[in-house]
Amino acid sequence: SQQGEEDPQALSIQEGENATMNCSYKTSINNLQWYRQNSGRGLVHLILIRSNEREKHSGRLRVTLDTSKKSSSLLITASRAADTASYFCATDATGGFKTIFGAGTRLFVKA
Amino acid sequence: GAVVSQHPSWVICKSGTSVKIECRSLDFQATTMFWYRQFPKQSLMLMATSNEGSKATYEQGVEKDKFLINHASLTLSTLTVTSAHPEDSSFYICSAQGQRITGEQYFGPGTRLTVT
Repeated sequence: SQQGEEDPQALSIQEGENATMNCSYKTSINNLQWYRQNSGRGLVHLILIRSNEREKHSGRLRVTLDTSKKSSSLLITASRAADTASYFCATDATGGFKTIFGAGTRLFVKA
Repeated sequence: GAVVSQHPSWVICKSGTSVKIECRSLDFQATTMFWYRQFPKQSLMLMATSNEGSKATYEQGVEKDKFLINHASLTLSTLTVTSAHPEDSSFYICSAQGQRITGEQYFGPGTRLTVT
């Protein structure tokens, strides 16, 4: 079963606006990852944040992790039409050996 | 970075036939490979975990006799969909985890299977 839940399920914004996606999970984790997937394509790894980290940046991406609330957020600043894709969080549970994906957020950036 | 390939990228087959999908780690040795299935507009669902030289571990609800997984070498895992039916049509994605790469998986580009 999927561990992560994401909201919103879908998000439509104008180019230049910021997009925030949230992910919640159920068990203790070693790390949490965010991926992007363009329609019908494979996954692109965006960023990994470890359980002892609270915030991480990569270019226009900012990820936060709150282990007390078992939640994470992905912020995309100054969005572009090319950011249109589905975004998934994925967690590696403590003591486990597999990655479980959230339901995903479908982001649509209008030019 | 680590590269994982899948072959074929897409396949169409008739109902009742079997289809084999290959997953290869191109520049690292993968002790563990994972197979996922993704239906349209849904997330990735883990099907099974395969370790080189041992039997795969299947997730609950995944038929091991229908989805045969072989991980015969440190760079190759195969998924065979036996007696395929239209409901098996999906996007199949593999990922690989290396011995020296801790905590990260590298995903293949996926294989789109259509069963007619």
